[in-house]
This record gives sequence, structure tokens and C-alpha cells, in this order.
Amino acid sequence: NAGVTQTPKFQVLKTGQSMTLQCAQDMNHNSMYWYRQDPGMGLRLIYYSASEGTTDKGEVPNGYNVSRLNKREFSLRLESAAPSQTSVYFCASSERLGQGRTEAFFGQGTRLTVV
Amino acid sequence: GESVGLHLPTLSVQEGDNSIINCAYSNSASDYFIWYKQESGKGPQFIIDIRSNMDKRQGQRVTVLLNKTVKHLSLQIAATQPGDSAVYFCAESPNTGGFKTIFGAGTRLFVKA
Repeated sequence: NAGVTQTPKFQVLKTGQSMTLQCAQDMNHNSMYWYRQDPGMGLRLIYYSASEGTTDKGEVPNGYNVSRLNKREFSLRLESAAPSQTSVYFCASSERLGQGRTEAFFGQGTRLTVV
Repeated sequence: GESVGLHLPTLSVQEGDNSIINCAYSNSASDYFIWYKQESGKGPQFIIDIRSNMDKRQGQRVTVLLNKTVKHLSLQIAATQPGDSAVYFCAESPNTGGFKTIFGAGTRLFVKA
């Protein structure tokens, strides 16, 4: 089972360039998330999609946009990359299980460097 | 604001010993807590969770303890193995929907052979 697949795995951008990080899950989960992880810090939520057709801001949404293309896919776009967006980006998906357990499954991450 | 933090950034234990990783949280409204393990170059993986109406939950070699009085969460790993070496994150959510989960900074566990 593939689980959560992110592309690309590595990317170097120049300041001001744009790019889209792709994420797809094959677990039929309703909810999907984008996090960023900076050195020595935990994951911070950028945007999430509780279900197909909805998206909401997380803790650090500035400079990003998202699209929930369908139930499987949730993309993250940087319109004008800045060095402060250098980070490792993780996509995740989850489904509320019995008794409220919400286990999130994470992709392998995209290491983005903005120079 | 709300935060999830850890008492120790690194923990080194001898193989076979028990490990205890601690976490403090500040949001009394949080009612769902999760421990994740992150190995180098990989995304976090779910280890165990606990809801606020519980004090203790056990899994395979892992136990999570929740003390709501002092807003403290701990992860105990029995008979620690080299494969347990990783960064461990606690995370909290204000509801069991898991949205806007807040992660702590992580504790790196080193297991000495």
C-alpha cells in the first residue's frame, strides 16, 4: 500500500519563483493536511481540508494556497517563494475511527530550499 | 497561547532499559493526545493515543500516561531497542476530529547498544 505520496521529494527554488507540492492518498480518507517542519521544531499546520470541497487555514497559512482537487489529492502552492519558506513539508491524511481516534498518516516529506 | 512542549530535547538510554519521554501541554481544552515517532528522513508515524477521559493506555511495549491535573503526558517504552531511536512528538487536539493538532518540538531518543 502506498499510503500518502508526496512529490517532489527535493526542490530548490529561487526567491520569487512559484511551485506546487503534490500529495495523494489511497486510503479513502476524508481529511488531509499540510504541515511544515523546521529544525528543532515540531510540525506546524499550514492548511487542512476536513473533507472534499473544503479547506481551512492552520497556524501558518501566509504565503501558501491549497487545492483539494478530489478526495485523493491535496496540493500546496507557493506563489512567490521566500527564504523563510525553506523547510520540510509533510502531507498527511486521516479518518475518524471508532471512539474518536484520529490517526494521521504522513507522507515522506518534501525538502524545499529557497535561495 | 496554547503550546505543547517537552522537558528534554534529547534522551539517551541503554538498550534493554525502559525509556520515559515527557511532554507538557497548556491547553486545558485539549481532549485528545497522540504520540508520534519520526525516524530520520521519514514522516511521523502514529504510536499511541489517549483521550482526556483516560489516565493510562497501553500498547505493545508502549504506555501513555496522562495527568490532567498538571497537564502532563508521558510515553514509556519498555525494553528499549535500537530500532526505537528516533524523534518522538507529542501532539494535542482540542477535539477528536484531529483538526489543528498542535505538535511539540520533539525529543530525540538515542539507544546505546
